[in-house]
Amino acid sequence: GDSVTQMEGPVTLSEEAFLTINCTYTATGYPSLFWYVQYPGEGLQLLLKATKADDKGSNKGFEATYRKETTSFHLEKGSVQVSDSAVYFCALSDPFQAGNNRKLIWGLGTSLGVNP
Amino acid sequence: AAGVIQSPRHLIKEKRETATLKCYPIPRHDTVYWYQQGPGQDPQFLISFYEKMQSDKGSIPDRFSAQQFSDYHSELNMSSLELGDSALYFCASSLRDTEAFFGQGTRLTVV
Repeated sequence: GDSVTQMEGPVTLSEEAFLTINCTYTATGYPSLFWYVQYPGEGLQLLLKATKADDKGSNKGFEATYRKETTSFHLEKGSVQVSDSAVYFCALSDPFQAGNNRKLIWGLGTSLGVNP
Repeated sequence: AAGVIQSPRHLIKEKRETATLKCYPIPRHDTVYWYQQGPGQDPQFLISFYEKMQSDKGSIPDRFSAQQFSDYHSELNMSSLELGDSALYFCASSLRDTEAFFGQGTRLTVV
């Protein structure tokens, strides 16, 4: 079945450091890929998405490129801030799922802590 | 813009009690999802509804049931609560195959 594998955390960085959180997936067809962020004590927020190969999602300085050849969707940010401290979830939605709705398949989440 | 509204935000129940969580999707969204997130865990899919009909079922215990009403709001009913049911419960809504938008969640604590 479909699955998402994320790099394990926690990840601790200094402010202005470069961030990469790896995410790879397995899916039947051509899934849509997402990064969600969960700040402490809050709900899940969509950070960025990509719906087809070679698409690049970007938001708030974060970027991720849908790489079909490596089945990856790694999250990157050139210079992290303390306010980026959160848990980041990679997820996919498979259009070949039965029915009209497509539940999200989640990675386990990567906790990021950024020190000033 | 209107978001997904969940109520209550926090709920404390005793073991063996019953809890009802409510979700009000974004207007015109036709699909509602329920997820359970334990401490330090990724969200686990429970159940979903499309146009008021159950469309998919995940790891939802038999003690739980859910439905979507004519106004598209949804309720998750949880009976015979156990300590292990303590978690964040998220509702999300979407319009057909667009991305899901999440509510703030209901934090259920079973004591």
